Amino acid sequence: ETGVTQTPRHLVMGMTNKKSLKCEQHLGHNAMYWYKQSAKKPLELMFVYNFKEQTENNSVPSRFSPECPNSSHLFLHLHTLQPEDSALYLCASSQDARGSYEQYFGPGTRLTVT
Amino acid sequence: AQTVTQSQPEMSVQEAETVTLSCTYDTSESDYYLFWYKQPPSRQMILVIRQEAYKQQNATENRFSVNFQKAAKSFSLKISDSQLGDAAMYFCAYRSARVNTNAGKSTFGDGTTLTVKP
Repeated sequence: ETGVTQTPRHLVMGMTNKKSLKCEQHLGHNAMYWYKQSAKKPLELMFVYNFKEQTENNSVPSRFSPECPNSSHLFLHLHTLQPEDSALYLCASSQDARGSYEQYFGPGTRLTVT
Repeated sequence: AQTVTQSQPEMSVQEAETVTLSCTYDTSESDYYLFWYKQPPSRQMILVIRQEAYKQQNATENRFSVNFQKAAKSFSLKISDSQLGDAAMYFCAYRSARVNTNAGKSTFGDGTTLTVKP
């Protein structure tokens, strides 16, 4: 596989469920990102990892818990979500977190919270 | 904090013609990077073009070019000879050049949906 992959592509979960989103990049990058894309708001940065260290948490509620075990993998653990958390969750990567590097995006996970 | 504004929620263009998408931003920084990304329906977001703020020359990539006006904080995207495959949502994005406090942060505009008419 090439580029940035995300699984699952679609997820429906109840408010009491626990699920995880997975992102994998095959580009040799050192920075990875989680974004939330919803119809009512622009693309919102959630978390940034640079060389496996979290460098940004954009005031994200604790029901979202990121994990970055290595530079190639990024997870987003979800628990007790709310209906307003329904959105497209995009993962991205870049060479590192410096602004000069473009970001490569995955296809996203379409999350529906019921 | 930086902000990015795309004032055109929707635009349309006739195939083979030219269209310009607007983007303005607000920042107190002098060194930064600007990007245009394209998100086709149900497909991955990809980079269209990037511009370094320290460069006066406007970036070009084949049929895509930008008009970067640093003083006016404007960064518009021009698509020449529009093709059906150009139909997508286009996002303008700002990234700081700062290494520490803003490392990794990107600010995106709301997006412009471009329709290409055959």
